[in-house]
Amino acid sequence: EVQLVESGGGLVQPGGSLRLSCAASGFTVSSNYMSWVRQAPGKGLEWVSVIYSGGSTYYADSVKGRFTISRHNSKNTLYLQMNSLRAEDTAVYYCARAPRYCGGDCWDYWGQGTLVTVSS
Amino acid sequence: SYELTQPPSVSVSPGQTARITCSGDALPKQYAYWYQQKPGQAPVLVIYKDSERPSGIPERFSGSSSGTTVTLTISGVQAEDEADYYCQSADSSGTYQAVFGGGTKLTVL
Repeated sequence: EVQLVESGGGLVQPGGSLRLSCAASGFTVSSNYMSWVRQAPGKGLEWVSVIYSGGSTYYADSVKGRFTISRHNSKNTLYLQMNSLRAEDTAVYYCARAPRYCGGDCWDYWGQGTLVTVSS
Repeated sequence: SYELTQPPSVSVSPGQTARITCSGDALPKQYAYWYQQKPGQAPVLVIYKDSERPSGIPERFSGSSSGTTVTLTISGVQAEDEADYYCQSADSSGTYQAVFGGGTKLTVL
């Protein structure tokens, strides 16, 4: 059974850093395109970042230069390192897997999400 | 970047047909995907590549595309279909970018 479990969220001050983790089971993270998607309280979904199976990474303009997506193959875990956090980064962060039948462009399995709150 | 535009809300009575539209200039060149999200839950993929249905999604969910507009149709709406619905597209031709529509709240009256 495919499962994604995020952790690492919490309260952080503006300008601070946080690292989110997404532990996967039932499939191999490094063989799939994996993304982070976030949702601010009461708002819509926003794509944040993707890491391809080959290792290429891409970011939304809103986080470029501040966030870094990575993975640990032997731990089968996806990460999101978030630096220089701003109030507008406050959101529930989901990790999600892109199935091959979408060519990497959609997500069939999502974690339960982890809440990041940026506030002083 | 580009935008996808959805109506904020759609209301239907049980058993009727709900249609949720999503418009965007890139849609003739890119596939659209649809997600259902209920309060406090992660999104669920209900339509991929404009009109394909993932396994486990009821047949009452269907998708179509015409020019710059894609449409999610829910036939014979049930109370359990009340949720937020998001369209999404992605451009992976160069640097990757994915975009969501603003979401549509489906209310079952």
